[in-house]
Amino acid sequence: DAKTTQPNSMESNEEEPVHLPCNHSTISGTDYIHWYRQLPSQGPEYVIHGLTSNVNNRMASLAIAEDRKSSTLILHRATLRDAAVYYCILSATSGTYKYIFGTGTRLKVLA
Amino acid sequence: GAVVSQHPSWVICKSGTSVKIECRSLDFQATTMFWYRQFPKQSLMLMATSNEGSKATYEQGVEKDKFLINHASLTLSTLTVTSAHPEDSSFYICSARDSVRPIWAFFGQGTRLTVV
Repeated sequence: DAKTTQPNSMESNEEEPVHLPCNHSTISGTDYIHWYRQLPSQGPEYVIHGLTSNVNNRMASLAIAEDRKSSTLILHRATLRDAAVYYCILSATSGTYKYIFGTGTRLKVLA
Repeated sequence: GAVVSQHPSWVICKSGTSVKIECRSLDFQATTMFWYRQFPKQSLMLMATSNEGSKATYEQGVEKDKFLINHASLTLSTLTVTSAHPEDSSFYICSARDSVRPIWAFFGQGTRLTVV
């Protein structure tokens, strides 16, 4: 299973954009890139996913490098409710599709 | 979005007893479900993959006789922690893949197990 590397923690000021990086240099051509976030004592919550092109949804944007070896989750205006652990996960497009979680990035949002 | 429900949300049990945790996909069919455990301040660790109607596949180091998984229907998987001990205290989380849209998974809210 391809592995991802993320910074352990990041801080952001409220109302400012946040860019959360993820390295996945061993990604295969058919792996999807998923982002989930986890609030304390809750299960992970889906944020966004993509394959090759950049993606936008109501929660965030996902920017994928041209070589697909890295990606960045962008929260356009961080709020206190965005404080969570963010996980970048790769998933194959066939087989069991299982997710292997890395350490994630703990995002702290400062008021 | 799709909903996965876990029950109970928390449970306290005595050492030596068994505890069953249920995971249900409420508005979709899930051929495959996954069970994770998470210790404080740590990431989720995949324990096993369960497929409807067949035996679960356990990750290396996970005792299959201790963590019994049953996936008898397309909407329900159960994890039974047998002969629980304090070191089994953890946060257990299930996830389910929509059989029609298997690309991403939906997670339950987790079950906090405390063994005393």
